[in-house]
Order: sequence, then C-alpha cells, then structure tokens
Amino acid sequence: QSVLTQPPSVSGAPGQRVTISCTGSSSNIGAGYDVHWYQQLPGTAPKLLIYGNTNRPSGVPDRFSGSKSGTSASLAITGLQAEDEADYYCQSHDGSLSRWVFGGGTKLTVL
Amino acid sequence: QITLKESGPMLVQPTQTLTLTCTFSGFSLSTSGVTVGWIRQPPRKALEWLALIYWNDDKRYSPSLKSRLTITKDSSKNQVVLTMTNMDPVDTATYYCAHRSTSGQNANAFDIWGQGTMVTVSS
Repeated sequence: QSVLTQPPSVSGAPGQRVTISCTGSSSNIGAGYDVHWYQQLPGTAPKLLIYGNTNRPSGVPDRFSGSKSGTSASLAITGLQAEDEADYYCQSHDGSLSRWVFGGGTKLTVL
Repeated sequence: QITLKESGPMLVQPTQTLTLTCTFSGFSLSTSGVTVGWIRQPPRKALEWLALIYWNDDKRYSPSLKSRLTITKDSSKNQVVLTMTNMDPVDTATYYCAHRSTSGQNANAFDIWGQGTMVTVSS
C-alpha cells in the first residue's frame, strides 16, 4: 500500500488530454512538500518529468504539466502520442517518518 | 553531464548480505546540497525509496528497512555503497541509485538515475 495513491491505469487516444492524480495526506503533500513526477518507459529507468509541483526539466516537452492543491497533485499530458505510453510515478516527502515516498504508479495506454 | 551506474551481484542467497556500489561522474558528493539516493523496484511493482546520503555525510533510511541498511560514500572515488543484510526473496528487485540536489535546477527531485541493477534473491 503506497503512501501516495494513484489510479492503476489511464488511457486516451492520440491527440487527447489525460490527467493522472496523486493523492497524499497532511504529512506529505498537504504539509507543503514538493511533488515530482517520473516517466518510466518499458524496461528503462525512471526519468524526471516534473519537479517542484509544476516545473519541467530541460528537454521535457510542454505537453507535460503538473499542478498541486491541498493534499493532491496532478500530471496532465496533452496531445497524447504513442511514445507517451509508459508508467508514471509521483513522489514527495513524508515528514512524519522523514522518508521519501512514491505513488503506486499509473500505466498510461495510448489507444 | 551527470551519470550514475550501479554494480553488484545479480544473485544473492537468502540470509546473505547484499553490497551495491553506485559509481558516478559529473558531480561531487562533497559539494553542498548534493545527495545520492537508492531506490528499488520489485518486478512489475512500484518504486520504493531505501536510503539517502548527503554531502555532509548525513544519512536517511526507510523506516521499515532501517535495521538492515547502511549507506556510505567515498567522495574521492565518486562512489556510494549500499549494504542490505539478511536478504530475503521479497528483496528481489531492480536497484537504482539517483542524484538529487537540495537547491538549483531540478531541486529536491531525483533528477538523474542510473540504469539499475537487477538482484535476485534465491537459493
């Protein structure tokens, strides 16, 4: 059972917009800790997609965006492409036990 | 350019101690704000944070695994070593090391990851 809750799967057709939610609690996201998002393509290491809730690292397309409100965060992907098919993980810090925590991951399928 | 690479045994017997080495380049673990973390991923499961070491040798461990983990650094060799005692088949996973900085670009995120090393625990 992950500390951060994500939907197991989402899907969308090419060109569509999808969102992935990440729900935490008052000891992590709600406490003000940043949320980061990672993309993991099949058989590869995770890649940083969004840091500090809303910021894109250099080289990440602006089709990817992040938001945060209260005890939750969201990743939005617009203009879906086949290459976006991957697992997506949110990550934050939990102050109650001084640990870094990940969501359970969401598998994105491009129909 | 920052790179990290994990190395260690592919197969470990139950009850044995696992030692993994993360060899990195493109940054110094003596620089203020720099940290290196270990994260693992069992087959077809989610990522799990294990440990983190700071530039000043401060260390953090996953509470559930704290009694079994030790993280150390050798800044002169650009290496971080993770040891995990009393290995069990449930510890079978891909183990990653990752760079994290507490300030500047990509602050507080694990921004650069190694390729990972798969460790199987079996007799």
